[in-house]
Amino acid sequence: AAGVIQSPRHLIKEKRETATLKCYPIPRHDTVYWYQQGPGQDPQFLISFYEKMQSDKGSIPDRFSAQQFSDYHSELNMSSLELGDSALYFCASSPSSDTEAFFGQGTRLTVV
Amino acid sequence: GQQVMQIPQYQHVQEGEDFTTYCNSSTTLSNIQWYKQRPGGHPVFLIQLVKSGEVKKQKRLTFQFGEAKKNSSLHITATQTTDVGTYFCAGQGVDYKLSFGAGTTVTVRA
Repeated sequence: AAGVIQSPRHLIKEKRETATLKCYPIPRHDTVYWYQQGPGQDPQFLISFYEKMQSDKGSIPDRFSAQQFSDYHSELNMSSLELGDSALYFCASSPSSDTEAFFGQGTRLTVV
Repeated sequence: GQQVMQIPQYQHVQEGEDFTTYCNSSTTLSNIQWYKQRPGGHPVFLIQLVKSGEVKKQKRLTFQFGEAKKNSSLHITATQTTDVGTYFCAGQGVDYKLSFGAGTTVTVRA
């Protein structure tokens, strides 16, 4: 069965650079979530989309933005990267807003 | 939005023993979900509880949702080495935002 695809799997960036993370949800899933997980931490909700419209926003810095495109893939754009942005970034999709979320393998971002 | 608290943060268990992890929300939830994350892996959905007082079982795992839909528990019996990982509860409120608890990291002594 198709799963949530995230790319790249690993990314190394320098401080103040920009990064773009991509997410391809499971086909026919109408909800996409983005989470940030630091080492030993729980996933922190960043932002979600329902039918390509932003549906909720969590603790997402102003330096970050996200969007969902007409083909349902989503991108998380991160600018002016800081060392503290180093984390695992998960994308998850859900067949509807009130059912289980299927997580991708994550993108490990390292800011040096 | 809701804040979800989970205890204990760590659980060291002798193989064969039982343990329970608890989850509490600051607000009434629409549903609560449980996920398991193995070291180096991604969260994997285990179960969703929707109804007040609901109890669901998956083999050695028993999940409960409180009557007030603000708390939940996961009880594992006869712990095995395959149970190693971090168990997260995630509460979903009326805004559909999925808020994770801090997780319970389980290690097993053989």
